[in-house]
Amino acid sequence: DTGVSQDPRHKITKRGQNVTFRCDPISEHNRLYWYRQTLGQGPEFLTYFQNEAQLEKSRLLSDRFSAERPKGSFSTLEIQRTEQGDSAMYLCASSPRGAANTGELFFGEGSRLTVL
Amino acid sequence: EDQVTQSPEALRLQEGESSSLNCSYTVSGLRGLFWYRQDPGKGPEFLFTLYSAGEEKEKERLKATLTKKESFLHITAPKPEDSATYLCAVRGGGSQGNLIFGKGTKLSVKP
Repeated sequence: DTGVSQDPRHKITKRGQNVTFRCDPISEHNRLYWYRQTLGQGPEFLTYFQNEAQLEKSRLLSDRFSAERPKGSFSTLEIQRTEQGDSAMYLCASSPRGAANTGELFFGEGSRLTVL
Repeated sequence: EDQVTQSPEALRLQEGESSSLNCSYTVSGLRGLFWYRQDPGKGPEFLFTLYSAGEEKEKERLKATLTKKESFLHITAPKPEDSATYLCAVRGGGSQGNLIFGKGTKLSVKP
């Protein structure tokens, strides 16, 4: 399958611990996005990469959150000192060059975080 | 502030009973309105992009339309497999990467 892959699919952690999520986009997609979705809500934008450059960050992305995309391939999203309010589904999406304005993002199945 | 409101929150239909979902939006410099479908436990799946008032797009039993203030997703003769949450999103003039999503409409189609 050549879709967007996210790992782990589920993560349960205790408050105060650090967690890291990985996203492998569709190969040759140069744009990669992270969104967060809580129950009953639509996805909320966190950050966006074009190749290895992080071009946009949401106000939701506090200093406890950091995202990287070394070499413009896979990406990681790290949350430090997790809080219960961080519990959510973290969605990764990618889009190919030229699709920037079509809004056609290809989403992965998400990484569900539960903070106890 | 850019905003998307979807109604109703939930909709139950009998198989074959046509209906419409609404998405109203306020955005500065609309650069596209997008419809996605999301199944439980899955990521959203892209359906349509609309750019300007009067534009329409169709895919199987779904038809999306756009006015200056809202969009409609018309579902004709739905089937149980159309059951999902339908999300509407917009992109404003100030962003390349940020889609602003509504909360979605959860559609259930009973046989």
